This record gives sequence, C-alpha cells and structure tokens, in this order.
Amino acid sequence: DAGITQSPRHKVTETGTPVTLRCHQTENHRYMYWYRQDPGHGLRLIHYSYGVKDTDKGEVSDGYSVSRSKTEDFLLTLESATSSQTSVYFCAAAGVADTQYFGPGTRLTVL
Amino acid sequence: KQEVTQIPAALSVPEGENLVLNCSFTDSAIYNLQWFRQDPGKGLTSLLLIQSSQREQTSGRLNASLDKSSGRSTLYIAASQPGDSATYLCAVIGSSGDKLTFGTGTRLAVRP
Repeated sequence: DAGITQSPRHKVTETGTPVTLRCHQTENHRYMYWYRQDPGHGLRLIHYSYGVKDTDKGEVSDGYSVSRSKTEDFLLTLESATSSQTSVYFCAAAGVADTQYFGPGTRLTVL
Repeated sequence: KQEVTQIPAALSVPEGENLVLNCSFTDSAIYNLQWFRQDPGKGLTSLLLIQSSQREQTSGRLNASLDKSSGRSTLYIAASQPGDSATYLCAVIGSSGDKLTFGTGTRLAVRP
C-alpha cells in the first residue's frame, strides 16, 4: 500500500448529509487521486491533485469536492450525499507518470 | 476520450496452466500502461508498469507486453496457481502523464 491510509473504512449515512473521506500518504508523492469503483463501471476518476492546493476534475466529479492543504492529505467531500454515491472509494498516490499506489478503500452506503 | 477494454471479463483455468489476459485501448498516445491486481474487498496492487517506449516487462511468472501502435497489451501468467485468483486490471496513462484510465478487469479463478 506504500503508506496510504483511508478513513473511515466503512460509513453509512443518510441522503442529504455531507460526508468527508480522508486519504493520508507517507511517501511525499506529488499526485493524489480519488476514484470510485462500481460494478459494471470499473474504476472512475473523481478528482485528482498535482500539488498542494492544486486540484482538477476527473470524469465523475459532479457532487464531489476535494481539498489538499498538505502534501500528505487529500480530502474528498460529498456535499449532499445521494444514493447514487453509494460506492467503494479508493485513494491513490503517485510520482510523475509513475506507478499509482492505492489505499485499502472506503465502503460508503447512502440510505 | 480514451477507452480501455479487457477481454475476457472472466476466466477459469486449472492450476498449472499458462494464460494470457488481453487489454486494448483506443488512443495510442499513451505515456505508459500499468497492470494491477485486486483481491476481493481490497485495494489495487501494482504488478507491472510498461513505459510507452518499451515492448515488455517481466516480474517473476508475469510478463506484460505492449504494442502501442495497435493499442494492445497482454499479461502472460506462467504456471498459474490458486493464489493468482483475483481481478486483473489494466490502465493507461495519457500523454499528459497524470491520469489513468482503467479497464473493467478480468476476473481470474485458478482451480486446484
């Protein structure tokens, strides 16, 4: 896992509530990523960061925001959770065009 | 938009068999291609990374090849073992060098 942790590992929440997922890395990688994984869709990029305070959208960014105030932490916020955001969320980190290292995932259920 | 396809979606083989997993991508302007393994309920583990200028990479019983011009990569697993049972994902990184596009994976079962 190259020193990547995610918290929480499991979360159940209700529709309309805000949710924040945290990713922490210990290897000083420049890039960090948030993906969601759903049956039939594979892994899809939500947002990514290419440095502190530098972020960009992925292919499924609607309803999500991110922040990166320190190299080691990358936060994903669901501003108002919906049932369609029930998924497994993975964080990853990498150097420039290098291997991506993944965290263990967060299973989110929105009721 | 880059699209990555993996065939077959699922594969079951007896232990000891050599096997090939296929990956194809639509845009040949890639920076590199990576193969990952995912066990049920777990994150992804990187297996091999092939730079766009390379033709193949080897790690133990695994060999990955890349034909960028035809938009294809294969992962060869020699002498398969039950412990190889997992989902195998390929992903390409575009010429910008920052974002991966994943295939939907091949679920491999190796029968004892």
